[in-house]
Amino acid sequence: AQSVAQPEDQVNVAEGNPLTVKCTYSVSGNPYLFWYVQYPNRGLQFLLKYITGDNLVKGSYGFEAEFNKSQTSFHLKKPSALVSDSALYFCAVRALFSGGYNKLIFGAGTRLAVHP
Amino acid sequence: DGGITQSPKYLFRKEGQNVTLSCEQNLNHDAMYWYRQDPGQGLRLIYYSQIVNDFQKGDIAEGYSVSREKKESFPLTVTSAQKNPTAFYLCASSIQAGVLFNEQFFGPGTRLTVL
Repeated sequence: AQSVAQPEDQVNVAEGNPLTVKCTYSVSGNPYLFWYVQYPNRGLQFLLKYITGDNLVKGSYGFEAEFNKSQTSFHLKKPSALVSDSALYFCAVRALFSGGYNKLIFGAGTRLAVHP
Repeated sequence: DGGITQSPKYLFRKEGQNVTLSCEQNLNHDAMYWYRQDPGQGLRLIYYSQIVNDFQKGDIAEGYSVSREKKESFPLTVTSAQKNPTAFYLCASSIQAGVLFNEQFFGPGTRLTVL
């Protein structure tokens, strides 16, 4: 089955420390991977995506993500966390189905808490 | 939330009522989507539309209906047949549904509560 897993419900990190939010996926064909962030009672904001090419993708607000094909992972990273990074983060993968139908499959989300 | 508006922000529904959630985009995107968000479950696709006058059921379409009469508008009706409608509803759009690497842009959401 095509799916996305975010194994951690919550990640806690001290301000200034590096952060990692984990994501693994299972999809038929080439993976198109996305990270979104959601602040309380708001819509999702696009952070970055992996299509092809360089395994390290740089995105908005200093975030980056590392694509690892052998581990089927797409972990979100930031070298130095800010308190304002505290939010809910979603990983998503584009999945293809029969008949040309495709959709985004979202993980359950990981809550990032950055402490001063 | 750039270019996608949803209204109202908060909506309260009595049992047995139908309610309609508005979604408008000025991004000139062909494709539009409706998602439902429940705590701890991520986003689930309700309906999507690749082009005007066409729409398809997503994973949890039962109890919902949509229309796509204009490119910029994709309203969602939550009918009385939806047994557990309390949730956060998100509308999204993308340039073209068939281009797999296009990201989706999301509106600010509508929180629906059944009284």
